[in-house]
Amino acid sequence: AQSVTQLGSHVSVSEGALVLLRCNYSSSVPPYLFWYVQYPNQGLQLLLKYTSAATLVKGINGFEAEFKKSETSFHLTKPSAHMSDAAEYFCAVSPLSGGYNKLIFGAGTRLAVHP
Amino acid sequence: EAGVAQSPRYKIIEKRQSVAFWCNPISGHATLYWYQQILGQGPKLLIQFQNNGVVDDSQLPKDRFSAERLKGVDSTLKIQPAKLEDSAVYLCASSVATGGLHNEQFFGPGTRLTVL
Repeated sequence: AQSVTQLGSHVSVSEGALVLLRCNYSSSVPPYLFWYVQYPNQGLQLLLKYTSAATLVKGINGFEAEFKKSETSFHLTKPSAHMSDAAEYFCAVSPLSGGYNKLIFGAGTRLAVHP
Repeated sequence: EAGVAQSPRYKIIEKRQSVAFWCNPISGHATLYWYQQILGQGPKLLIQFQNNGVVDDSQLPKDRFSAERLKGVDSTLKIQPAKLEDSAVYLCASSVATGGLHNEQFFGPGTRLTVL
């Protein structure tokens, strides 16, 4: 079964610093991959997705992620953190076949941004 | 465009009681999903509807959980009887359709259930 592992349940950065949130997937065939963000007391919002086109994917709010098949990774980055980026981030995978649009989520990484 | 609506936003019940959650998806979205998000974990799919038919309920604890989507629009998720481990946020999401390229799921704000 496909799964997603997010390294680090909590990440803390200073405002203006690089944000790096790690995600590794397990699949023999590269699946579709996603990053979602969840602000307190809100639902999830799609940041970006990889669907086998360009390996470097740009999303909203200045975030981007790079698909690396050799490392089975899809890490999320942002060059300069803002206070408003503080939230929980989820990496998710969707199987290419028979998945009926199914999403399998990682456990999440909570990002804290300090002044 | 209105988003996915859910109610209630919060619910506190005692174990062995029953509870129901309601979801209204984005207009025109054929696919509706219910997820369970336990504190400290990612959302887990409970059930997925395509119009008013179930396409995946493999992780739904059918001895106590039930869901329906009458007329292919609104949906209700019920727990009867509730257990302590059912304490979680229940998220509803909808998307345009299934199959082919992945279609973005849009999430509601969730219902936070506390079972005492």
